[in-house]
Amino acid sequence: GQQLNQSPQSMFIQEGEDVSMNCTSSSIFNTWLWYKQDPGEGPVLLIALYKAGELTSNGRLTAQFGITRKDSFLNISASIPSDVGIYFCAAPTFNAGGTSYGKLTFGQGTILTVHP
Amino acid sequence: EAGVTQSPTHLIKTRGQQATLRCSPISGHTSVYWYQQALGLGLQFLLWYDEGEERNRGNFPPRFSGRQFPNYSSELNVNALELEDSALYLCASSFQDRFNQPQHFGDGTRLSIL
Repeated sequence: GQQLNQSPQSMFIQEGEDVSMNCTSSSIFNTWLWYKQDPGEGPVLLIALYKAGELTSNGRLTAQFGITRKDSFLNISASIPSDVGIYFCAAPTFNAGGTSYGKLTFGQGTILTVHP
Repeated sequence: EAGVTQSPTHLIKTRGQQATLRCSPISGHTSVYWYQQALGLGLQFLLWYDEGEERNRGNFPPRFSGRQFPNYSSELNVNALELEDSALYLCASSFQDRFNQPQHFGDGTRLSIL
């Protein structure tokens, strides 16, 4: 089945450092999504990518849709304590004919810890 | 604009009981999705409802079921609860899915089975 391999599993960084995480798959996707989940809350959409090669920013966050359509990365610049949380990549699944299955496939998540 | 709202926030049940979880989508969204997030595991797709119809379900037993009402809100029902059903159940909504709209999540219902 379609799986997303997200790395690293966890990161411990100092405030002010830049962060990079990525997601890869053996399958091609037409959309990549990045979510952040804080403890006790649901995932919040950070960035949506719809086109191969697309580079999109949201404040200090930048994400790219890989040119092969099989990967994506998320960068966070100048990290701050409130960046702490779990970051997930996700992609919607479609059949060969382009009909949506409705489901999002999620990566395993990257746990980010920021030390002040 | 209100986000996706879920109730209750927490639910405690015992084995064999039945649980009902509720979700109200973002205004204008017609698709509702349910996911299970067990401790230490990622999000697993449960069900997708659109325009009142079940469109797809994940690899879960039939005791997980639900419905979508005419106002697009949704219920998830879990019958014959088992200990391994303890998890955070997340609801998401989007505009009609065929347009590849991103899903927006609520804060979930924490279901604990004793």
